Amino acid sequence: DIQMTQSPSSLSASVGDRVTITCRATQTSSAYLNWYQQKLGKAPELLIYSATSLQSGVPSRFSGSVSGTDFTLTISNLHPEDFATYYCQESYSIFRTFGQGTKVEIK
Amino acid sequence: QVQLQESGPGLVTPSGTLSLTCSVSGDSISSHNWWSWVRQPPGKGLEWIGEIYHSGMTIYNPSLKSRVTISVDKSKNQFSLNLNSVTAADTAVYFCARARVSLGTSLPDLWGQGIQVTVSS
Repeated sequence: DIQMTQSPSSLSASVGDRVTITCRATQTSSAYLNWYQQKLGKAPELLIYSATSLQSGVPSRFSGSVSGTDFTLTISNLHPEDFATYYCQESYSIFRTFGQGTKVEIK
Repeated sequence: QVQLQESGPGLVTPSGTLSLTCSVSGDSISSHNWWSWVRQPPGKGLEWIGEIYHSGMTIYNPSLKSRVTISVDKSKNQFSLNLNSVTAADTAVYFCARARVSLGTSLPDLWGQGIQVTVSS
């Protein structure tokens, strides 16, 4: 199965900061890497699909990039509502594996 | 507006069967989407369980495949999850989701609110 290593597991940031979260896959294609945001007690919401495509309705301060098997989610100009946990997911394998999650906390 | 709503018992006894239903409104279960189940143990990350197409075709996580059955009821616009031989490790919030077709695979793009299921005697 595919292993998804997400880092960091948590980070502290301030409103207005630029935040980057990385997901390293043992095997996948950029077409099959997705990012989700989950707020406490809520369902996940799709932010980015196919590594770089912004889901409809998601603010443009969210962006995704890829370099080989390293995938990055960037939040530019962090808003108060962006404090949440973020997960990557591969939709390449039959396991549809999620990363361990990155909790973005207020500094 | 598409909405998904999970329903079912919140408490299941060990070795029993967990049964949940997801009711879909605002979209047809027969549309060109897959319909998924994902779970999240307390304080932990997300685990994909499996998904179904309206034709009845299913894909399951190999780690759960021996215990999982997902079915669809087109007349009720619902799909269901059965997980048998449950243990405390199956305690989790269970989410249903619509998974849209994309580049030969599928990805969950719209989720239900989730339902807490506890396995305990």
